[in-house]
Amino acid sequence: DQQVKQNSPSLSVQEGRISILNCDYTNSMFDYFLWYKKYPAEGPTFLISISSIKDKNEDGRFTVFLNKSAKHLSLHIVPSQPGDSAVYFCAATIAGGTSYGKLTFGQGTILTVHP
Amino acid sequence: DAGVTQSPTHLIKTRGQQVTLRCSPKSGHDTVSWYQQALGQGPQFIFQYYEEEERQRGNFPDRFSGHQFPNYSSELNVNALLLGDSALYLCASSLNLRNYGYTFGSGTRLTVV
Repeated sequence: DQQVKQNSPSLSVQEGRISILNCDYTNSMFDYFLWYKKYPAEGPTFLISISSIKDKNEDGRFTVFLNKSAKHLSLHIVPSQPGDSAVYFCAATIAGGTSYGKLTFGQGTILTVHP
Repeated sequence: DAGVTQSPTHLIKTRGQQVTLRCSPKSGHDTVSWYQQALGQGPQFIFQYYEEEERQRGNFPDRFSGHQFPNYSSELNVNALLLGDSALYLCASSLNLRNYGYTFGSGTRLTVV
């Protein structure tokens, strides 16, 4: 049962344009969401997170939007740069209760930014 | 400041054998989690260690076991290896049990033949 899904295996955008990566989840108990970026031969690197009490969080060129009713979140990168080319993972967790600490990841989306 | 260090980086084992993977957390971090990433998939949570105890466990069989030492470093042991255990094993550390600022290591690539 895939509780976190990234339905687009890959995304290609032009440098300077906006990249939009999408993520859907099925577990309504999830209340904290994170995005990680992974380069080949490296571990995932934390990018940005959002709590379910918010619907938007910004950090520089990265913005995450959360639509709780649709169980959908998205990561916007503006403007996209060639160095952003990587695999992006969406992850979710339950911040309280007994499941804290366990991240559930999506399958990842390969982003390619062309110069 | 050294991040999360994992060893070895690669190894090849035969079906039925046992393997031990090692992880040193980032300086100042006391919580260690292990993830398995199969090819083309996202990381899957195996278990989490804090204060030398297993605190959370994912949907993995008992063949997967772990340990955390007093210096916060950790080991992942897998017994009776199966071909399906071939994957990238990632270690992640955090400041404490409820902190989600995980730092991941580069992983150990395990191939079972």
